[in-house]
Amino acid sequence: DAGVIQSPRHEVTEMGQEVTLRCKPISGHNSLFWYRQTMMRGLELLIYFNNNVPIDDSGMPEDRFSAKMPNASFSTLKIQPSEPRDSAVYFCASSRDYYNEQFFGPGTRLTVL
Amino acid sequence: GESVGLHLPTLSVQEGDNSIINCAYSNSASDYFIWYKQESGKGPQFIIDIRSNMDKRQGQRVTVLLNKTVKHLSLQIAATQPGDSAVYFCAETGANNLFFGTGTRLTVIP
Repeated sequence: DAGVIQSPRHEVTEMGQEVTLRCKPISGHNSLFWYRQTMMRGLELLIYFNNNVPIDDSGMPEDRFSAKMPNASFSTLKIQPSEPRDSAVYFCASSRDYYNEQFFGPGTRLTVL
Repeated sequence: GESVGLHLPTLSVQEGDNSIINCAYSNSASDYFIWYKQESGKGPQFIIDIRSNMDKRQGQRVTVLLNKTVKHLSLQIAATQPGDSAVYFCAETGANNLFFGTGTRLTVIP
């Protein structure tokens, strides 16, 4: 298995633009997680899905952030409009279920100018 | 609020020595704990996990200890190697919570 796949690996955009991050979980995994990592705040859980259904989105910073999982093999995290403070590395992770080890993707480094 | 915290943000050890990384958690309802290793430029990688019905679990060169009485978790690395240099995170999971600690940077001195 190729592991969790994220795209793009790097994204540079201007403030106000829409940003879409993509994730393909490991086949057969039922849980998918989106994280944000910054030096100031560390690793923060944004949202997680179980069987394609959002279970807990309490970590989503504000309405500018939205996440979808239309099927078991694909998820997106969208920021609209983006702001400089959204600059961070965004990780996607998947696991067989909520109470198992998570496999992380390589991350997307987002820079908002 | 509930949080996971690490006692030591940085740890330097000599190659070949044993390393101990500590983690305190505050949510007594957490019942599943994981240690992750993150190397520069990469995503966190699973090292070892432990469930609340256990107090010790061993892997290859790593041991996790869980003390539920004082809500303390530790990761022991035997015969630390240069490749162990990374940031280590503990994570606690419960029915309604999933938190990562702030991380400890382990530096192995050759």
